[in-house]
Amino acid sequence: TQLLEQSPQFLSIQEGENLTVYCNSSSVFSSLQWYRQEPGEGPVLLVTVVTGGEVKKLKRLTFQFGDARKDSSLHITAAQPGDTGLYLCARMDSSYKLIFGSGTRLLVRP
Amino acid sequence: EPEVTQTPSHQVTQMGQEVILRCVPISNHLYFYWYRQILGQKVEFLVSFYNNEISEKSEIFDDQFSVERPDGSNFTLKIRSTKLEDSAMYFCASSAPLAWETQYFGPGTRLLVL
Repeated sequence: TQLLEQSPQFLSIQEGENLTVYCNSSSVFSSLQWYRQEPGEGPVLLVTVVTGGEVKKLKRLTFQFGDARKDSSLHITAAQPGDTGLYLCARMDSSYKLIFGSGTRLLVRP
Repeated sequence: EPEVTQTPSHQVTQMGQEVILRCVPISNHLYFYWYRQILGQKVEFLVSFYNNEISEKSEIFDDQFSVERPDGSNFTLKIRSTKLEDSAMYFCASSAPLAWETQYFGPGTRLLVL
């Protein structure tokens, strides 16, 4: 099984701060997905990165796929309380099932 | 915007009882999935379903589990004899034909086995 390791596990920051969370593996992936999950809800897809070195932006969120396609990062600029949630990375295997990382739980304090 | 719905939102059951978790996928989707998330743990794949049959199942999905698409809209997960360790959040997901890379998740059913 190709594991996805996410770090940090927990992050508590003040509103307005920047942060980066990471998703790492020893294996190469064809693509990687980032999800956000709020309490009591299912994961919601934020972005899919496919190409090594690819950078995608979603408002204040910047996603990067490593050149070797083994790692990815999510950077949030000027975090807001509405960014609070569980951020999950996931890969889709050849049978279309998703394999999730353990997640980074983010708390943005007002 | 179309969404995946799940019922019930919460279910409490006694160990050994049968439970059926229900999902209504997005109407034109053809691929269906169940995942579960034990409190504080990863979201784990249980089973995928396409063309009225199981495409793949994980080792968690043993003989106590079954899935069914009884009509054109519902997709159900049945646990025949629940165990304490089945307590988890169960998520249904679906994806469209030719867009399999995007799975849409329902809000989940929180199952508590006592």
